[in-house]
Amino acid sequence: AQSVTQPDIHITVSEGASLELRCNYSYGATPYLFWYVQSPGQGLQLLLKYFSGDTLVQGIKGFEAEFKRSQSSFNLRKPSVHWSDAAEYFCAVESRAAGNKLTFGGGTRVLVKP
Amino acid sequence: ETGVTQTPRHLVMGMTNKKSLKCEQHLGHNAMYWYKQSAKKPLELMFVYNFKEQTENNSVPSRFSPECPNSSHLFLHLHTLQPEDSALYLCASSQVPQGTNEQFFGPGTRLTVL
Repeated sequence: AQSVTQPDIHITVSEGASLELRCNYSYGATPYLFWYVQSPGQGLQLLLKYFSGDTLVQGIKGFEAEFKRSQSSFNLRKPSVHWSDAAEYFCAVESRAAGNKLTFGGGTRVLVKP
Repeated sequence: ETGVTQTPRHLVMGMTNKKSLKCEQHLGHNAMYWYKQSAKKPLELMFVYNFKEQTENNSVPSRFSPECPNSSHLFLHLHTLQPEDSALYLCASSQVPQGTNEQFFGPGTRLTVL
């Protein structure tokens, strides 16, 4: 069965600093991978997705993620965070073998210091 | 209305009450989902509907009863809930089959069971 691990439960970063959120997955085939963001009191919004091609994926709000097959990772990055980036971030993997279900990681909560 | 909407946004109910959560998607999708998001737990898929037919029930207790009258509407009927059922209930929709199962989420219903 597929699984997704986000090792960092909380990350605190200063405004203007760079941010990297880690995601590791376990899946038998080439995965479809997603990053979602959830602001307080809101649903999940898709930031970006990978399903083939270039392993560096650009998303909305200045985020990017890199798929590394050898490391089973799909880390999310942003060069310079803004206070509005404070939210919870979820990595997800789609299992085509299990009816295209999404399996989510536990999430990483990002706090932004002024 | 655009995207995925959910009503009510907040609900407080006693253990003997009966209530319903409503989800509506305005995206023309053919699949809809209920997720449960509890504190400190990963997002849990509860039910999946494809073309109005239930295709997934992840061992959800019978006190949760879904209903999908058409491809745009999804309900979650609640009765005799327990305090541990307090959580954020998220609805999502997607178009399947498609390249990826990119899901679009509503803002959620925050449920408190007293």
